[in-house]
Amino acid sequence: NAGVTQTPKFRVLKTGQSMTLLCAQDMNHEYMYWYRQDPGMGLRLIHYSVGEGTTAKGEVPDGYNVSRLKKQNFLLGLESAAPSQTSVYFCASSYLQGVGQPQHFGDGTRLSIL
Amino acid sequence: AQSVTQLGSHVSVSEGALVLLRCNYSSSVPPYLFWYVQYPNQGLQLLLKYTSAATLVKGINGFEAEFKKSETSFHLTKPSAHMSDAAEYFCAVSGFGGAQKLVFGQGTRLTINP
Repeated sequence: NAGVTQTPKFRVLKTGQSMTLLCAQDMNHEYMYWYRQDPGMGLRLIHYSVGEGTTAKGEVPDGYNVSRLKKQNFLLGLESAAPSQTSVYFCASSYLQGVGQPQHFGDGTRLSIL
Repeated sequence: AQSVTQLGSHVSVSEGALVLLRCNYSSSVPPYLFWYVQYPNQGLQLLLKYTSAATLVKGINGFEAEFKKSETSFHLTKPSAHMSDAAEYFCAVSGFGGAQKLVFGQGTRLTINP
């Protein structure tokens, strides 16, 4: 009963390095999301996807790219990491059908950019 | 545009006392409202949700929230606090722009004093 799984859980990068965060869900959800969490700011939506092969920008998309090649996976990429991207990143997923569907969250990836 | 304001970034109560966490929202469409809880180093878990059925919503762990349209509020309460309730709580609103997207409040950290 894994739900939403994020890898890695922790990572330290140097400024300018690139990396990819992986999110996998086993609930057959259509919608997937990437958020960043910063102190005093709640969670802010970076990018989201409404289905395999589709992505869209959220509130704070600059500096990030995403891909959804398979329904169960949603990847978040940082091409050239900056200290401002130090944050905790959360992936979530949700059903398509119905209204007011809750999102299901992974345990997060703590990312530090030096 | 939707927005959420949580009054009080930090609330402290004694064990056994009433817990009241405040949430006010702004929405141009009928909102769907959620409360999530985040324990240290974990992702967000759904506590309860309002989706236009009963205005008093009961959730897990003895929490409940009341939707008051006239006050644009969705405050979270629990009659008697337990030490295990110490966590960060987030109020969120959806119902706009499709894709079950959420807008989160800034979060309220709840501390329980023995």
